[in-house]
Amino acid sequence: AQTVTQSQPEMSVQEAETVTLSCTYDTSESDYYLFWYKQPPSRQMILVIRQEAYKQQNATENRFSVNFQKAAKSFSLKISDSQLGDAAMYFCAYRGYSGAGSYQLTFGKGTKLSVIP
Amino acid sequence: SAVISQKPSRDICQRGTSLTIQCQVDSQVTMMFWYRQQPGQSLTLIATANQGSEATYESGFVIDKFPISRPNLTFSTLTVSNMSPEDSSIYLCSGRQAQETQYFGPGTRLLVL
Repeated sequence: AQTVTQSQPEMSVQEAETVTLSCTYDTSESDYYLFWYKQPPSRQMILVIRQEAYKQQNATENRFSVNFQKAAKSFSLKISDSQLGDAAMYFCAYRGYSGAGSYQLTFGKGTKLSVIP
Repeated sequence: SAVISQKPSRDICQRGTSLTIQCQVDSQVTMMFWYRQQPGQSLTLIATANQGSEATYESGFVIDKFPISRPNLTFSTLTVSNMSPEDSSIYLCSGRQAQETQYFGPGTRLLVL
């Protein structure tokens, strides 16, 4: 079964600085999707960024970028120029491309990010 | 992207009663899911809501306790039956189209007294 591990329960960053959240996963599949979701105190889960495993290029979305290391099964999220609105719980998630594991997301336990003014 | 709404946003219920949570998607989605999330914790999948057939439940969740309906491709309901304080949690609806990104509703915060 696939597992997703977020080893940092809490992180903090100064406003305008850069922070990296780590995520590792375990799978025997070669094709899959990886996601970072953000959940602010309002509870709404918001997609931050998505990466297809077959793509070698790291996904980027404005101030958010990932470092996808397929061989190492690592998928870290970098937030540049941190803003107060980035404070939230961040979840890393995995979904298989096909087969029994392709219909559901497997989530990590989350990393709570605080942004210090 | 899909916009998902849930009703109610929160509720306080007495033990032994049941609550039905509604989930509406603004576009047709292939798959819909129901999750439970304890405050500060990750999401646990309750079941996959299948259109026109019985939902597929994950280990530890049963139909008698969490009956689910999905009459069409944009709507689903989750009922929390015979509630106890242990059912106090946040319940989230989610949907996606085929291999696309999965989107989430805002959640329903349930407190059982």
